[in-house]
Amino acid sequence: GNSVTQMEGPVTLSEEAFLTINCTYTATGYPSLFWYVQYPGEGLQLLLKATKADDKGSNKGFEATYRKETTSFHLEKGSVQVSDSAVYFCALSFTGGGNKLTFGTGTQLKVEL
Amino acid sequence: GAVVSQHPSRVICKSGTSVKIECRSLDFQATTMFWYRQFPKKSLMLMATSNEGSKATYEQGVEKDKFLINHASLTLSTLTVTSAHPEDSSFYICSALPLAGGQGQDTQYFGPGTRLTVL
Repeated sequence: GNSVTQMEGPVTLSEEAFLTINCTYTATGYPSLFWYVQYPGEGLQLLLKATKADDKGSNKGFEATYRKETTSFHLEKGSVQVSDSAVYFCALSFTGGGNKLTFGTGTQLKVEL
Repeated sequence: GAVVSQHPSRVICKSGTSVKIECRSLDFQATTMFWYRQFPKKSLMLMATSNEGSKATYEQGVEKDKFLINHASLTLSTLTVTSAHPEDSSFYICSALPLAGGQGQDTQYFGPGTRLTVL
């Protein structure tokens, strides 16, 4: 079956540090890949997505590249802010599979001054 | 665009009562909506897929008689937790998939969640 593996958290960084959150997936075929962010007490917000190999999704300074060779979709940001503190979820879905999302376990990011 | 709302945002009820949670897509139509449950510090667990005008499809292990889902229009799905018990306390989140052919049709847009506490 399909699965998504994320690095365990929490990840604690100082403001302006470089962020990488690793995400790898296992799937039959070529899924669409997503990063969602959840701020405390809120639902999930779509952060970025990529629908085919070598696509780069980007938003709010975050970016991730769909790597078919390594089945990865790592999230990066060059300079994090305290306001980026949240839980980040990597996910995949197939349009032909009813668009059901398969989520990773989430990675909590804490950014300190 | 692509805003999904949930109501209520939090609810406290007594054991044995039923609670209805609404999920609305505010600025787009959605033939498919999804209901998730999230436990503290855990990922989201898909409970069911709700299709407008038809019966919901439940994931394995989810009691369909306990978690009643109705998707009566292209902008509204409801989840009713019947005869709620303390173990049903959780954070319930819905998402909506834009109508086929629309922009972002492969992307689920999530509601802000409903915190249910059963005493």
